[in-house]
Amino acid sequence: AQKVTQAQTEISVVEKEDVTLDCVYETRDTTYYLFWYKQPPSGELVFLIRRNSFDEQNEISGRYSWNFQKSTSSFNFTITASQVVDSAVYFCALSEAQGGYQKVTFGIGTKLQVIP
Amino acid sequence: DAGVTQSPTHLIKTRGQQVTLRCSPKSGHDTVSWYQQALGQGPQFIFQYYEEEERQRGNFPDRFSGHQFPNYSSELNVNALLLGDSALYLCASSLQNQGGETQYFGPGTRLLVL
Repeated sequence: AQKVTQAQTEISVVEKEDVTLDCVYETRDTTYYLFWYKQPPSGELVFLIRRNSFDEQNEISGRYSWNFQKSTSSFNFTITASQVVDSAVYFCALSEAQGGYQKVTFGIGTKLQVIP
Repeated sequence: DAGVTQSPTHLIKTRGQQVTLRCSPKSGHDTVSWYQQALGQGPQFIFQYYEEEERQRGNFPDRFSGHQFPNYSSELNVNALLLGDSALYLCASSLQNQGGETQYFGPGTRLLVL
């Protein structure tokens, strides 16, 4: 069974601070995909990144960066120089391909509050 | 390029009633998945539709059913509503491949059951 754990339920930081959101996953598959989504108060989940299990390269996109480590089954997300607009709930998700069918499991989410 | 759309945005029902939620996928997408998100929780997978058939189902009772139309749009039906069905219902669309496709989400339908 697949599982995603986001141990930090809520984080508060002061604007311009760096913050890292943790994600630990469990899967028996060798081929899987990891995602991060942002959910602002409006409710719509916004896609941020997709990473497959064979690509452990870290990725940077502007102020966002992701650290994927298979050895520790972690896929952490760092926001550099946080801004108030970053305030949202962030979800980590795991997708396994089961016979070509996709099953996605989400973590409980981390609520990030950036204080001006 | 239109994204995923859902209707209605909000809905209030009473226990025992039935509800139908609608979703139009992102242009070019052929697969639709439905999720239930209770307050303070992550989205929970309900089921996925491809080629007008239910391919996968999460741990939800038969009161939850769906349909996909030839134009790839989809409906989620919930019968005999319970108070616990109050949640944000999210529709996500993707392009069928071998798994791992990125799912793009709509704004959701907020259902309140009284």
